[in-house]
Amino acid sequence: DQQVKQNSPSLSVQEGRISILNCDYTNSMFDYFLWYKKYPAEGPTFLISISSIKDKNEDGRFTVFLNKSAKHLSLHIVPSQPGDSAVYFCAANFGNEKLTFGTGTRLTIIP
Amino acid sequence: ETGVTQTPRHLVMGMTNKKSLKCEQHLGHNAMYWYKQSAKKPLELMFVYNFKEQTENNSVPSRFSPECPNSSHLFLHLHTLQPEDSALYLCASSQEIRANVLTFGAGSRLTVL
Repeated sequence: DQQVKQNSPSLSVQEGRISILNCDYTNSMFDYFLWYKKYPAEGPTFLISISSIKDKNEDGRFTVFLNKSAKHLSLHIVPSQPGDSAVYFCAANFGNEKLTFGTGTRLTIIP
Repeated sequence: ETGVTQTPRHLVMGMTNKKSLKCEQHLGHNAMYWYKQSAKKPLELMFVYNFKEQTENNSVPSRFSPECPNSSHLFLHLHTLQPEDSALYLCASSQEIRANVLTFGAGSRLTVL
């Protein structure tokens, strides 16, 4: 049973517009959430994270929102750039447990 | 070389072959991990090593045999694999065990015929 779900396998967004990637989780024990980004032929790289004590964390063009009551996490990229085209993985964990990853969403930014 | 380096990048093997995947990290990290990424599935944690001691084996079949001779090197020995073992195998490291931020290698794409 997948505890972290990314229901959209792919997303296409026009350059300059906002990209919104979504992630749902089922384990209410999760208290730390991350987004990783993966380019083809490269390993995933850490992008941004958020603790469950917050509902928003911003880093430049990237903002992660956490809605604990809905068990929902989203990543906003504004404005979207061609270099943002990649696969984005949502991940979560709690305490000393292992990271649980989603299946990823492939984002394509259209010039 | 910096970061986490994995070799080979691509490997094709028959079910009766024996091969090994190698991972080396140049970051001075203490923990190393093997992950498996199959199509349309989440990254699956396979093994965790902390200061070259195995701390987790995530119910991985014995046809996968990890080896960690020191904190900088990690191997995954493969023998009598099945076609369903075809996947991208990712090595990662972190400063401390169970850290949330992992540094991944580019992966070894394995095809079992």
